[in-house]
Amino acid sequence: NAGVTQTPKFQVLKTGQSMTLQCAQDMNHEYMSWYRQDPGMGLRLIHYSVGAGITDQGEVPNGYNVSRSTTEDFPLRLLSAAPSQTSVYFCASSYSIGSLRAGYTFGSGTRLTVV
Amino acid sequence: TQLLEQSPQFLSIQEGENLTVYCNSSSVFSSLQWYRQEPGEGPVLLVTVVTGGEVKKLKRLTFQFGDARKDSSLHITAAQPGDTGLYLCAGANDMRFGAGTRLTVKP
Repeated sequence: NAGVTQTPKFQVLKTGQSMTLQCAQDMNHEYMSWYRQDPGMGLRLIHYSVGAGITDQGEVPNGYNVSRSTTEDFPLRLLSAAPSQTSVYFCASSYSIGSLRAGYTFGSGTRLTVV
Repeated sequence: TQLLEQSPQFLSIQEGENLTVYCNSSSVFSSLQWYRQEPGEGPVLLVTVVTGGEVKKLKRLTFQFGDARKDSSLHITAAQPGDTGLYLCAGANDMRFGAGTRLTVKP
């Protein structure tokens, strides 16, 4: 199994450009999430999905859009990139065991620089 | 939102020493997870603790969930350079992470 695959691994954008970060998982997990990681701030939740067709906002959703048309894919769109969005982005997936959530499987990240 | 505070933020020790890092909250968690992240990689799950007072061991790592399910600790015995990394705790159902403890083990 490939697990969680993120593309691209590195990206440089100019302020105002738009782009989509791709995330795909092949484990049939119902939960998927996007995080950003900045130095000294751990992981902050941007958006998440509890199943195909269902998305919701996390802690820091402004400037980002998501959609979940299939179980496998959960792309993150930056509408108009800003330098404050320079960060490392991680996608993660998980599933439920009864009422509990199993551990998250993370992708290897996308390092985004906005100039 | 259930906030998680991790301490210490940074820890640098010599190989062979023991250490404990903490994850605290004012909220009750149904379950809590610990991850380790190495540079350039995504976090990797170490353990999930579910029951108050639960203790789980993973080789030289011992995880404990507080009786009230509001806090957890990770104890490493005889640390090795391979233990170096960022240790993160997370509320499993909440999907929120603490800021982490950055551990460096010097040979």
